[in-house]
Amino acid sequence: EAGVAQSPRYKIIEKRQSVAFWCNPISGHATLYWYQQILGQGPKLLIQFQNNGVVDDSQLPKDRFSAERLKGVDSTLKIQPAKLEDSAVYLCASSSLKRDSPQTQYFGPGTRLLVL
Amino acid sequence: SQQGEEDPQALSIQEGENATMNCSYKTSINNLQWYRQNSGRGLVHLILIRSNEREKHSGRLRVTLDTSKKSSSLLITASRAADTASYFCARGSNYKLTFGKGTLLTVNP
Repeated sequence: EAGVAQSPRYKIIEKRQSVAFWCNPISGHATLYWYQQILGQGPKLLIQFQNNGVVDDSQLPKDRFSAERLKGVDSTLKIQPAKLEDSAVYLCASSSLKRDSPQTQYFGPGTRLLVL
Repeated sequence: SQQGEEDPQALSIQEGENATMNCSYKTSINNLQWYRQNSGRGLVHLILIRSNEREKHSGRLRVTLDTSKKSSSLLITASRAADTASYFCARGSNYKLTFGKGTLLTVNP
């Protein structure tokens, strides 16, 4: 079974530029998550999709971050314009949807973003 | 805010020794999960313990959960150099995980 795919793996941009990250979850996984992990900290959930609907985006800075999951499969996360504090690793994860069952999340390798 | 705070922040041991990491949390959970992250890579799920369970084993891993104290521990027995990584506990509720800051484990050969 193929894992969660993410691209690019690394990205360097200047502040105020825009950037987009792509994620392809494990086939058949209904739930998709985007996390931001700042150096030395644990992942922080930015947005959670179930199929192509948003379940939780309470911690997404909506003035500059946007995400979509068209057709309930692939997803893109965009930052526009980027700030220095957006430098982090952006992790995508997916999980299957099983009623009344705890969710194990499967993570991609992440995209390391450096904003100069 | 992050919940599921790990203790210690960093741990250095010799190969063959046991490593114990602790996790505390503040609010109720459905389950508690432990993940491992090798340097510069994604997280890998290690073990999940439900709120009605007290102890669980998986290979060299042993997890305990004390819901009255809102704490969990992860024990890695007979550690290996390949166990060097950051370990995160994550509080699971409503199909959502909230991660702590992690424990950096270094196993010296």
